[in-house]
Amino acid sequence: ILNVEQSPQSLHVQEGDSTNFTCSFPSSNFYALHWYRWETAKSPEALFVMTLNGDEKKKGRISATLNTKEGYSYLYIKGSQPEDSATYLCARYTAGGTSYGKLTFGQGTILTVHP
Amino acid sequence: GAGVSQSPSNKVTEKGKDVELRCDPISGHTALYWYRQRLGQGLEFLIYFQGNSAPDKSGLPSDRFSAERTGESVSTLTIQRTQQEDSAVYLCASSLVERREAFFGQGTRLTVV
Repeated sequence: ILNVEQSPQSLHVQEGDSTNFTCSFPSSNFYALHWYRWETAKSPEALFVMTLNGDEKKKGRISATLNTKEGYSYLYIKGSQPEDSATYLCARYTAGGTSYGKLTFGQGTILTVHP
Repeated sequence: GAGVSQSPSNKVTEKGKDVELRCDPISGHTALYWYRQRLGQGLEFLIYFQGNSAPDKSGLPSDRFSAERTGESVSTLTIQRTQQEDSAVYLCASSLVERREAFFGQGTRLTVV
């Protein structure tokens, strides 16, 4: 993996369904992995910042896990609601040289929750 | 305190004109990022400033694009001789370093006609 990759690109679920999506990233020189939610007509907002292998974070019905050795993170939404509809972005935080602190984003997963 | 502020929120310009977009980061944030999102695409990295270090310009798509930042304050993104493919939402974000989350502005929607 050379870049930050997210899958699937889009997802349609029914209200009440649980869902998950994946972020894959280069595992070398890992520093941190961010998840953001981007709702239409708003700016992206941070959900989680994850730094340690095995990290699990939770905020309400949303949780995330991190595997830095194999270079992936999962975002889970339990009991999806229409208000969860948004684009979910992950970003790899790079350390080293002139790129210290650079955030590189994946293309995002567009989630639509149907009532 | 105030969040990240961008201006203008919308800009319509004629092809070939120059435009300047402004970003006021959160006070004390040493890192500042510019991204853009073209229609139907993801967030595209443009440029990154970190304190007094040389900026990472690796994402600027052509030499028509340039950006400046004065110390740890305001940044301006300038696009010269705009083209229709420059139409996009331009987002600015700032963060404290040390892996902290980025805070985004509301963006500038640029339309080149």
